[in-house]
Amino acid sequence: KQEVTQIPAALSVPEGENLVLNCSFTDSAIYNLQWFRQDPGKGLTSLLLIQSSQREQTSGRLNASLDKSSGRSTLYIAASQPGDSATYLCAVKDGANNLFFGTGTRLTVIP
Amino acid sequence: ETGVTQTPRHLVMGMTNKKSLKCEQHLGHNAMYWYKQSAKKPLELMFVYSLEERVENNSVPSRFSPECPNSSHLFLHLHTLQPEDSALYLCASSQDWASGSTYNEQFFGPGTRLTVL
Repeated sequence: KQEVTQIPAALSVPEGENLVLNCSFTDSAIYNLQWFRQDPGKGLTSLLLIQSSQREQTSGRLNASLDKSSGRSTLYIAASQPGDSATYLCAVKDGANNLFFGTGTRLTVIP
Repeated sequence: ETGVTQTPRHLVMGMTNKKSLKCEQHLGHNAMYWYKQSAKKPLELMFVYSLEERVENNSVPSRFSPECPNSSHLFLHLHTLQPEDSALYLCASSQDWASGSTYNEQFFGPGTRLTVL
């Protein structure tokens, strides 16, 4: 069964810093990988989706990379802002259309 | 707003109560999902409906009973729950549910925070 791990579990950075969140998965036979943002007590907002054939996706200050063979993805956030504070979840989709989630990284950006 | 709404947003119930969670999607999607999010655990897929038919049931206890009357609405009926069932219940929808499809991005609702006393 696919297992998704995210490290670190929590991260605090001062405003303006660039940062990287990590995601690893055990089975490289994935169809896509998705990064989500979740604010406390709220649902998930999709940030970036990378197809298995792609290496990276960019949206504004966010850049996600995918190395399928090594089972790794990173989410790079440039020039962090207090509004970026949230939990970031990584999820991979398998051939049976199931999404497997990590437990998330809780990010705090300190003003 | 993702186009997926859930009601109620918060629910407190006793172990002998019967209640229902409601999800509605305004995106014209054909697939809908229920997930459970417990503290410090990954999201767990509970049920999947495609074109109003259940296609996945991941060993969920029978005290959780889903219903999909049409492609826009999904319910989760709750009966005789346990305190360990307290969690955030998330609904999601996608354009289709098709094995092997790479483009079926899921859109999530805000969730229902359930507390079982």
